Amino acid sequence: EAGVTQSPTHLIKTRGQQATLRCSPISGHTSVYWYQQALGLGLQFLLWYDEGEERNRGNFPPRFSGRQFPNYSSELNVNALELEDSALYLCASSLVVQGAGETQYFGPGTRLLVL
Amino acid sequence: AQKVTQAQTEISVVEKEDVTLDCVYETRDTTYYLFWYKQPPSGELVFLIRRNSFDEQNEISGRYSWNFQKSTSSFNFTITASQVVDSAVYFCALSGLMGYSTLTFGKGTMLLVSP
Repeated sequence: EAGVTQSPTHLIKTRGQQATLRCSPISGHTSVYWYQQALGLGLQFLLWYDEGEERNRGNFPPRFSGRQFPNYSSELNVNALELEDSALYLCASSLVVQGAGETQYFGPGTRLLVL
Repeated sequence: AQKVTQAQTEISVVEKEDVTLDCVYETRDTTYYLFWYKQPPSGELVFLIRRNSFDEQNEISGRYSWNFQKSTSSFNFTITASQVVDSAVYFCALSGLMGYSTLTFGKGTMLLVSP
C-alpha cells in the first residue's frame, strides 16, 4: 500500500513569490494535516482538512492557506513568501474512526527554500 | 494547553548500548493519546507507537520498549542493543480526542549511535 506522497521534494522561491505544495494521502484516509518544521522551531501544526473542509488551523498568518480536493488530496499555498518560511513542510494523513483512535502517517516532506 | 517536553536534546551512544529517551507531557484532557515518531536524516516522520491514556501497559516490540506512567506523566522509550541505523531524531507527541485535537510535538531528541 502506498504511503503519503508529497510533491515537489524541493522548492526554491524568492521573497514575495507564491509556493504551492501538494500531498496525496494514504488510500482510504480522509484527513490531511500540514506541519511546518523550521530550524530551531520544531514541528508546528499548520492546517487540518477533513472531508474537504478546513477543520482547524494553527497559529499562522492567513497567507498560509490550502484546500482539500474530492479525492482527499490536498494543496498548501503560501503567498508573499518570506525568508522565515524556509522549512520542511510535512503532510500527514489519517482516518478518524470513532472509538478506535487516530494515527497520523507522514509523507517525506517538501523542503522549501526562500531566497 | 498541551505540552510535551523532551529534555534530552542529543544523546550519543556506542553500538549495542541501551538508551532511554525521556518524554514528559502535560494535558488537562482525561482521554489522550501518546505517540513516538522517528525522523531519519531523509526527513520523513516514521510512526513507531501510539498509546491510549487508559492503557498503562508497557509494550515491547523487538528492540524497542515503551514505559507509560500516568502518575508521573511520562512516556519513555528504550532502545535495547542500539544499532547505527537507530541514529535519528525521535519525537514524542500528544493528542486529545481524535478528530478534534492535533498532535503536539516535543522538540525531539537526536540520537547518534556510533560503531
